[in-house]
Amino acid sequence: DSGVTQTPKHLITATGQRVTLRCSPRSGDLSVYWYQQSLDQGLQFLIQYYNGEERAKGNILERFSAQQFPDLHSELNLSSLELGDSALYFCASSAHRGLFGGYTFGSGTRLTVV
Amino acid sequence: DAKTTQPPSMDCAEGRAANLPCNHSTISGNEYVYWYRQIHSQGPQYIIHGLKNNETNEMASLIITEDRKSSTLILPHATLRDTAVYYCTTSSNYKLTFGKGTLLTVNP
Repeated sequence: DSGVTQTPKHLITATGQRVTLRCSPRSGDLSVYWYQQSLDQGLQFLIQYYNGEERAKGNILERFSAQQFPDLHSELNLSSLELGDSALYFCASSAHRGLFGGYTFGSGTRLTVV
Repeated sequence: DAKTTQPPSMDCAEGRAANLPCNHSTISGNEYVYWYRQIHSQGPQYIIHGLKNNETNEMASLIITEDRKSSTLILPHATLRDTAVYYCTTSSNYKLTFGKGTLLTVNP
């Protein structure tokens, strides 16, 4: 157990729907990162939050949004889902605003859009 | 972030040392080198990182060349459980960018 908790582990939904993925960082970690891993794209950085504020943005679609709450858990919202959004979504956390030792990944949420 | 280049796959015999190379010729002075691995579809696992000096921990050793343009991850005594995709990456600040990595297969 890495200490980073992601729920749900699996999610199957239809095209056009909206889903929310949840991440609880390791105790004491202030930064949360979201990554998408699909078969043809590898691990793609989506977005980072630090202590509730957005710090860095990657290749995140406009249909996707995220936020970090006061208790430091984070949610990734995916809307108007398409077949191509099927992927593993990983959350990671670190203690600092930057990396300084790397970060810890959760076990991921496998999203299947049918 | 510097671009990294790794061989797509490597084989290693169980019990032998696995040496995984990575080229990061465009690395800047304040970028660290990080290594992660991913076993099947599990979340990537941090292995080791370094800036200039060689580093060692309980999992592996990291050798960084003097010009910092390449590095080698060494698993001293590979086991079957070390079969995974190994990612070499660099970052100067906020995020890590992962390439395709090297699929290391440890054979009995």
